[in-house]
Amino acid sequence: GAVVSQHPSWVICKSGTSVKIECRSLDFQATTMFWYRQFPKQSLMLMATSNEGSKATYEQGVEKDKFLINHASLTLSTLTVTSAHPEDSSFYICSARGRYRGALNYGYTFGSGTRLTVV
Amino acid sequence: SQQGEEDPQALSIQEGENATMNCSYKTSINNLQWYRQNSGRGLVHLILIRSNEREKHSGRLRVTLDTSKKSSSLLITASRAADTASYFCATVILNAGGTSYGKLTFGQGTILTVHP
Repeated sequence: GAVVSQHPSWVICKSGTSVKIECRSLDFQATTMFWYRQFPKQSLMLMATSNEGSKATYEQGVEKDKFLINHASLTLSTLTVTSAHPEDSSFYICSARGRYRGALNYGYTFGSGTRLTVV
Repeated sequence: SQQGEEDPQALSIQEGENATMNCSYKTSINNLQWYRQNSGRGLVHLILIRSNEREKHSGRLRVTLDTSKKSSSLLITASRAADTASYFCATVILNAGGTSYGKLTFGQGTILTVHP
């Protein structure tokens, strides 16, 4: 089936530094990428939606200058957490929406997530 | 904001028993999907039910949808220890014009523990 590769799977960084998380759709074109954040034992909160070649649309309360999203191609989207602080520590998951192998309908495929710890 | 609420928040059963999880949502939907998440991992799509469908089966999974009550249920029959995971319902919200933004929003989830 469709695969989304998300890297890194975990990262520890110092407070004040920036971290980039990548999501690649390996065998289909992702017309839309979604980025979620998940705190322990909680649900996924949508942070932003990005379409290839366009600026990302952020959900209410999400700082666009802090969470930079780039969707430069139909197979790659990145999330950069700038000037990270301990409160940014969380599990970040991407989801790619696209048609796999000419399927009639759009499907959502999730990356395996990135555990970010800011110390 | 979260679209759905799920109950129970946690469910603990013995292997072989059935597990039922419920999900309620607030707005008009295009479809409703159920996902599974093992601890600290990504999500795996289980099943999708469209707004004009009432029931759907896939292996040991049975999903129902009641659009009049804005609710859905996921039944896992003959549960196994390997079914231990968090289960989320997710909906694609329709806007006022009846089209979809494509945004998938999640319920709070049910943590299922199946004891061997």
